[in-house]
Amino acid sequence: GQQLNQSPQSMFIQEGEDVSMNCTSSSIFNTWLWYKQEPGEGPVLLIALYKAGELTSNGRLTAQFGITRKDSFLNISASIPSDVGIYFCAGLETNFGNEKLTFGTGTRLTIIP
Amino acid sequence: EPEVTQTPSHQVTQMGQEVILRCVPISNHLYFYWYRQILGQKVEFLVSFYNNEISEKSEIFDDQFSVERPDGSNFTLKIRSTKLEDSAMYFCASSEKRFTGELFFGEGSRLTVL
Repeated sequence: GQQLNQSPQSMFIQEGEDVSMNCTSSSIFNTWLWYKQEPGEGPVLLIALYKAGELTSNGRLTAQFGITRKDSFLNISASIPSDVGIYFCAGLETNFGNEKLTFGTGTRLTIIP
Repeated sequence: EPEVTQTPSHQVTQMGQEVILRCVPISNHLYFYWYRQILGQKVEFLVSFYNNEISEKSEIFDDQFSVERPDGSNFTLKIRSTKLEDSAMYFCASSEKRFTGELFFGEGSRLTVL
């Protein structure tokens, strides 16, 4: 199946710092999405990207859909304690009327007090 | 705000037993999904369901698994004969639109197989 690799695997940063993480795939996706998962919760959608090259913001979060359609990155500016969690990229394939969302390996973000 | 609800939050079962995990999707959503997450690992697709039938399923979703929408509100995942490796968090999700990837997830049901 499809593999989406995220880097870094984990990040330890101080409050106020900017964060950058990315996601790469060997295959092309039509849509890239970023989800966040907090402990004991299901993933929550942060940003959806529908066109290659698209750059989209949601508050302090900015994400881009790579030109090759095989990668995406997520930036978080001026991190705050509630940004802690695991960030997953996800790629959507649509074939013959079916759809399948594949999640990446995740980037765990920890904020050091 | 509408949400996806799942029960039970945690189930412990013996290997070989049948398990049913229940989900109530958001009421105006038409597309339903089950995903699983083994502890510390990524979220894996199991199955998608629309118009009372399976749209797509993964290699994980073998003959031991089945899904059903028994009434207008519930969406269930059944594992017929559980194995140790079925221990995971199972997430139900629903979506209003197709081909967007914009899923709303429940809080999950943790399954522990002993």
